[in-house]
Amino acid sequence: AQSVTQLGSHVSVSEGALVLLRCNYSSSVPPYLFWYVQYPNQGLQLLLKYTTGATLVKGINGFEAEFKKSETSFHLTKPSAHMSDAAEYFCAVNRNQAGTALIFGKGTTLSVSS
Amino acid sequence: KAGVTQTPRYLIKTRGQQVTLSCSPISGHRSVSWYQQTPGQGLQFLFEYFSETQRNKGNFPGRFSGRQFSNSRSEMNVSTLELGDSALYLCASSAQGTGGADTQYFGPGTRLTVL
Repeated sequence: AQSVTQLGSHVSVSEGALVLLRCNYSSSVPPYLFWYVQYPNQGLQLLLKYTTGATLVKGINGFEAEFKKSETSFHLTKPSAHMSDAAEYFCAVNRNQAGTALIFGKGTTLSVSS
Repeated sequence: KAGVTQTPRYLIKTRGQQVTLSCSPISGHRSVSWYQQTPGQGLQFLFEYFSETQRNKGNFPGRFSGRQFSNSRSEMNVSTLELGDSALYLCASSAQGTGGADTQYFGPGTRLTVL
């Protein structure tokens, strides 16, 4: 069975500081991995995804993530935080190779202070 | 192109009632999935429909059901509502629905409150 663990339910950084949100997965088959962001009272927006190929994935708004199979990790980073990055972030893995059934982590709330 | 739309956005029901939520996918998208989001359980997959057929199903009781129409619009129904069904219900659509790598685009959700 596939599962996703996000370490740290709440991360606080200063504006301009590095953002690092951690995600580990367990999967019996090569996974498809996703990072989504959710702003208050809104749905989820895709930041980036890993399917195959290059293990460093670049997404929107300056975010990127690196797929490390040996560590079963897919951590999300951004070199310099902006106030507008404050939101909840979800890591997800697709449960089924033949369809779209995401398994989400519990989420990490990112706070950015000035 | 218009995004995923969900109606209604907010809903208040009492225990024992039933409710129907609606989702219109992005034009041309054939796969529609539903998720439940609660503070305690987080985001959980309910089911996925593709070409009017349920293709995947999560671990929810039979009170939760859905369907998809020929124009890809989807509805989900919850019968005999319980207090624990209070949640944000999110719908997501994907273009081809042919594999696990497909990007799902989410709607804003329907906030259901059960009193």
